[in-house]
Formats: sequence, structure tokens, C-alpha cells
Amino acid sequence: GEDVEQSLFLSVREGDSSVINCTYTDSSSTYLYWYKQEPGAGLQLLTYIFSNMDMKQDQRLTVLLNKKDKHLSLRIADTQTGDSAIYFCAESASGTYKYIFGTGTRLKVLA
Amino acid sequence: DAGITQSPRHKVTETGTPVTLRCHQTENHRYMYWYRQDPGHGLRLIHYSYGVKDTDKGEVSDGYSVSRSKTEDFLLTLESATSSQTSVYFCAIKTAGLAGETTDTQYFGPGTRLTVL
Repeated sequence: GEDVEQSLFLSVREGDSSVINCTYTDSSSTYLYWYKQEPGAGLQLLTYIFSNMDMKQDQRLTVLLNKKDKHLSLRIADTQTGDSAIYFCAESASGTYKYIFGTGTRLKVLA
Repeated sequence: DAGITQSPRHKVTETGTPVTLRCHQTENHRYMYWYRQDPGHGLRLIHYSYGVKDTDKGEVSDGYSVSRSKTEDFLLTLESATSSQTSVYFCAIKTAGLAGETTDTQYFGPGTRLTVL
């Protein structure tokens, strides 16, 4: 069945790189998303990638996709305290209404 | 934020009372969603709508109903609230390939924190 899995916690020091990982199950044409949720707020779309791509870079964010292992990662370069938040991975099969979310990874950035 | 507002933002109610949460959007998106967010579960879909008066169930729809009489409003009703429905509720819309995007994407409202005592 459909499932998206993430580790629950990640702690890094300010200035280091953060890598948040996600595995998904849908093998059809799929879009994969990363969202950020700050305390008391809704989910904010950070970036997305289509399943026929290997990598996407957007400023400090790099998304890597390993299609064989169905593994997605989000790398945040030069992590700042403002990056502390919960990060959600999500997948959506192309042309459908449905989005499957992971449980979220809580990133804590230490000064 | 795709012009999504939710009301109320916070509500405390008692078990057995009816509760209605409202989601309002300003950009005429066809698809609207209600999710609940609970620790350890991420976001779970309650109901979604694909047009006026067109709705369908998600994975956790028991105890909830929805209505969509206008494109801009999607209402979530707890007919008789229970403590297990204490949660944070998020509304979302699905865009249809806005400028600069090559895919449909979801945008979320700010959430409603509901406590059922």
C-alpha cells in the first residue's frame, strides 16, 4: 500500500548541513514534495520534484531522489536557527487528488 | 498562502456538542481538503471536495461531515464532538499548475486548534 516514512528527529549545529530523509512506496508517475511547518502555523511548500528527476536545487535546498530505493532527501545547506521546524515529505501520483504525507521530521538547530 | 483562511483559529468545546469549522479561499480553486494533524500520525485526510456539492471521504472520515455550497467555502462539521477529535485541523487547496509550477500542488491554511473536553 501507500506509505511515506520519515525519521522523527534531527539535531544539527548552526552552519552545518542538514539532511532529512524520506522513503515512499508509489512506483507510478509521482510528484514528491517537501513542506515546512513552523510552530503554530500551517504547512509551507518548500519544493517538489517529479519522479523522473534525480536532483533539484533551489538556493540552500537540494532534493535528491533515488528512484531505485524510493528514497528522497532534503539537504539544507548552512542551516540556520530559523530552519528549526517540522519537515514533511509527501507524495502524489500524477493526475490524482490524493497526497500521502509522512509523519514529519522535527529539525532542531543548535546555536 | 493562496488566500486560505480558517475560522475559528482556536476552539474549546465539550463532548457531545456540534462543531463547525470553516475554510475560505479567494482564488476559485476546485479542490479543497480537510486534514487533521496528530503527533505520530502526520496529516490524515478527513474529506475532500472536487467542486461545489461534490465531496468524498478520506481515510479518517468517521464522525465528520462536510459541505461545499460555494466554491470559496468548505465546511467541516463534527456532529457530536468526542475527545478523540481533539486535534489541529488544516484546510488545503490544490492548485492547477500555477505560473512557474509544472504540477498541481497543495497549499495549506493556518490551522484550527480544537480541544474537546
